[in-house]
Amino acid sequence: DIQMTQSPSSLSASVGDRVTITCRASQRISGYVNWYQQKPGKAPKLLIYAASSLQSGVPPRFSGSGSGTDFTLTITSLQPEDVATYYCQQTYRTPPFTFGPGTKVAIK
Amino acid sequence: QVQLQESGPGLVKPSQTLSLSCSVSGDSITTSYFWSWVRQHPGKGLEWMGYIHYSGNAYYNPSLRSRLSISVDTSKNQFSLTLNSVTGADTAVYYCARVAALVRGMITLDTFDIWGQGTMVSVSS
Repeated sequence: DIQMTQSPSSLSASVGDRVTITCRASQRISGYVNWYQQKPGKAPKLLIYAASSLQSGVPPRFSGSGSGTDFTLTITSLQPEDVATYYCQQTYRTPPFTFGPGTKVAIK
Repeated sequence: QVQLQESGPGLVKPSQTLSLSCSVSGDSITTSYFWSWVRQHPGKGLEWMGYIHYSGNAYYNPSLRSRLSISVDTSKNQFSLTLNSVTGADTAVYYCARVAALVRGMITLDTFDIWGQGTMVSVSS
């Protein structure tokens, strides 16, 4: 199975800061990566698909990039409502689908 | 809009069977989507369990295949999960989700685009 790792596992930043989360796949997966946001006590929400495409309704301060094994989720200007855990997911050779361990984002 | 809602017991005894259902509203389950179960152990990440197409084709996480069954009931517009021989390690929040194929350029990939709110299941005597 393809394994996904994320870094950092958690971060704290100020409102307005640029935040970057990285995700690495255990083998090359082209652009078959999705990103999800999970707020405390809520279900995950699809943010980005195919590494860089913004899901409908998601604010444009979220963006994704990468291909192959290394992927990035960026929040250009962190807002209080962005406090959440963010997960990457590979959908290259599926099933099974695998998620990264998550990155918890907090406000400083 | 399409909504998913999980239902089932919140407490199951060890060695027994966990059964959950996911009701789909706002659309027919007999479409091109797959319908999935994902669970989340307390304070942990997301684990894909399996998914099913309304035709009955189902795929399971190899780690759960021996204990897991997913079925679909088109007459009720819902799909269900059955997990046998549960232990405390099966204590988790269980989510159902719709799996949609989205296209970007040359890539068509699966996305979990709509989720239920989740239901907490505890395994304890």
